[in-house]
Amino acid sequence: DVKVTQSSRYLVKRTGEKVFLECVQDMDHENMFWYRQDPGLGLRLIYFSYDVKMKEKGDIPEGYSVSREKKERFSLILESASTNQTSMYLCASSMIRGLGAFFGQGTRLTVV
Amino acid sequence: KQEVTQIPAALSVPEGENLVLNCSFTDSAIYNLQWFRQDPGKGLTSLLLIQSSQREQTSGRLNASLDKSSGRSTLYIAASQPGDSATYLCAVRPMDSNYQLIWGAGTKLIIKP
Repeated sequence: DVKVTQSSRYLVKRTGEKVFLECVQDMDHENMFWYRQDPGLGLRLIYFSYDVKMKEKGDIPEGYSVSREKKERFSLILESASTNQTSMYLCASSMIRGLGAFFGQGTRLTVV
Repeated sequence: KQEVTQIPAALSVPEGENLVLNCSFTDSAIYNLQWFRQDPGKGLTSLLLIQSSQREQTSGRLNASLDKSSGRSTLYIAASQPGDSATYLCAVRPMDSNYQLIWGAGTKLIIKP
């Protein structure tokens, strides 16, 4: 089975801190994604990557950056955390035009 | 622009009933459609994936159908159990994209014991 692992289930950070969310997948998938999920707004794509060192902005990239130095790892970076970035963050991976998307368990981030 | 709609937004049924969740999409040019389950505070679990050339997929008590021409998919759950309580989301992959998924807002399902 495909496994997508996010480094933390819960995080509490202070306003202004630099925050790193890590995601690792074990199925050699080309594509990796970061979403945030908020009540009433559904899933919104922040960034995705289709190859090592390649990245594309999603629908809501402001305030975020990403890093993909290795195929299996995709990191989401909050350069200076703000309270409006309190949310559930979901990482996913997929093959190109392949067998669907697979998600990690989610990271609930609270910025205080 | 592709849009995905799930109706109803919430559904509550007694245990043991068979039920159908609906997903509709506006553009039939899709590569595949995927159904997910999400438990409160958790990530998404993939349930079924239907490629555009397929009409249905089955896994245990779950059966998903796809009718591209009418822009509809249904998720049928047989003999519902309290453990089926969760939010169910569908997502389509447009034909012209290698990565993009277009999401429905989900149906929150409650199975009453």
